[in-house]
Amino acid sequence: AQRVTQPEKLLSVFKGAPVELKCNYSYSGSPELFWYVQYSRQRLQLLLRHISRESIKGFTADLNKGETSFHLKKPFAQEEDSAMYYCALGFGGNTPLVFGKGTRLSVIA
Amino acid sequence: EAGVVQSPRYKIIEKKQPVAFWCNPISGHNTLYWYLQNLGQGPELLIRYENEEAVDDSQLPKDRFSAERLKGVDSTLKIQPAELGDSAVYLCASSDSYQGLQETQYFGPGTRLLVL
Repeated sequence: AQRVTQPEKLLSVFKGAPVELKCNYSYSGSPELFWYVQYSRQRLQLLLRHISRESIKGFTADLNKGETSFHLKKPFAQEEDSAMYYCALGFGGNTPLVFGKGTRLSVIA
Repeated sequence: EAGVVQSPRYKIIEKKQPVAFWCNPISGHNTLYWYLQNLGQGPELLIRYENEEAVDDSQLPKDRFSAERLKGVDSTLKIQPAELGDSAVYLCASSDSYQGLQETQYFGPGTRLLVL
């Protein structure tokens, strides 16, 4: 079955430190991977998708099909990055997404 | 652009009572999703609509849950009767017509339900 695993429930880092939020997926086909973010009191919103290969708010993520991973990285964390981050797996078109359980990132000043 | 609109934002009811949630998607979005998010979990699909047709409702507990999207625009999700375990956040999302790759899903603010 298709599954997304985010091993860390909570990740705390100091401001200016590098951040890596881990995401592994289970899917035998051609996956489409996403990172969604939910800031405090805001709705879930798309942060980035692997197909676009762009950096958003300093975050990047590379799809590694060999390791079935899509880890989210940022070289220097900022306080405003504190939020819930969800990794999601898509199957094309308008199919529903399969989400991981999320990782709460806390950036400490 | 108002984005996906949901109401109410919060709802507290006693068990065995009925409850309904409403969602208005982004204008022009033909696909509408209802997701359930339990505490400490990611969203999980309940039902997906393409216009007014439910095309994926395998995860909807049909003994107590029902949904409709009569005119292919806004949608209502109902629970009758509610149980304690239904306490969760109910998310609505919408996406544009299929253009090839996975369409971006835009989420509403959610309805937080507490069943006492």
